[in-house]
Amino acid sequence: DAKTTQPNSMESNEEEPVHLPCNHSTISGTDYIHWYRQLPSQGPEYVIHGLTSNVNNRMASLAIAEDRKSSTLILHRATLRDAAVYYCILRASGTYKYIFGTGTRLKVLA
Amino acid sequence: DTGVSQNPRHKITKRGQNVTFRCDPISEHNRLYWYRQTLGQGPEFLTYFQNEAQLEKSRLLSDRFSAERPKGSFSTLEIQRTEQGDSAMYLCASSRRDRGRTDTQYFGPGTRLTVL
Repeated sequence: DAKTTQPNSMESNEEEPVHLPCNHSTISGTDYIHWYRQLPSQGPEYVIHGLTSNVNNRMASLAIAEDRKSSTLILHRATLRDAAVYYCILRASGTYKYIFGTGTRLKVLA
Repeated sequence: DTGVSQNPRHKITKRGQNVTFRCDPISEHNRLYWYRQTLGQGPEFLTYFQNEAQLEKSRLLSDRFSAERPKGSFSTLEIQRTEQGDSAMYLCASSRRDRGRTDTQYFGPGTRLTVL
């Protein structure tokens, strides 16, 4: 099964950039890399996704390694509202099954 | 866009009872997923519907679990003869296929089940 590895937790100061890493060495050539985040007592929320090229949207940027075995979610200026668990997700190849893992708990310090 | 809704938001039941949860997806979304999340863990995939067809079920889904999506609209997840190990948050997500063969899932707030 597709598997991702993320640090359990990270801290950042408010208004500073945050780089959240993810390893996905078993990724297949056609799998997208998805990032979601989950605020306390809420369902997960879409952040960004990509295939090969780096991606930007209003929430974040996604930097994908050339070999696609790792990626980094970049929050350009962390705010207190960004404190959440961030999940890097792959879809198991040939299935509709998305595999979440345990995610990275981001703490933002005021 | 009113988002994905789930009912009830909380359910407390006694071991051995049956429970049913409902998910109302975003109206134009033809894809629907159910997940289970226990404390400190990420969501675990349970099952996937495309329109009314259940195309995939996790091996985690025992015979006590059944899901339906009649007419490709709302979905229900039923757990029969509940056990204490079924206590978890049950999350529903809906999506439609994006360009490039992937999809963006929109999650509901979940139903928290407590089995006493």
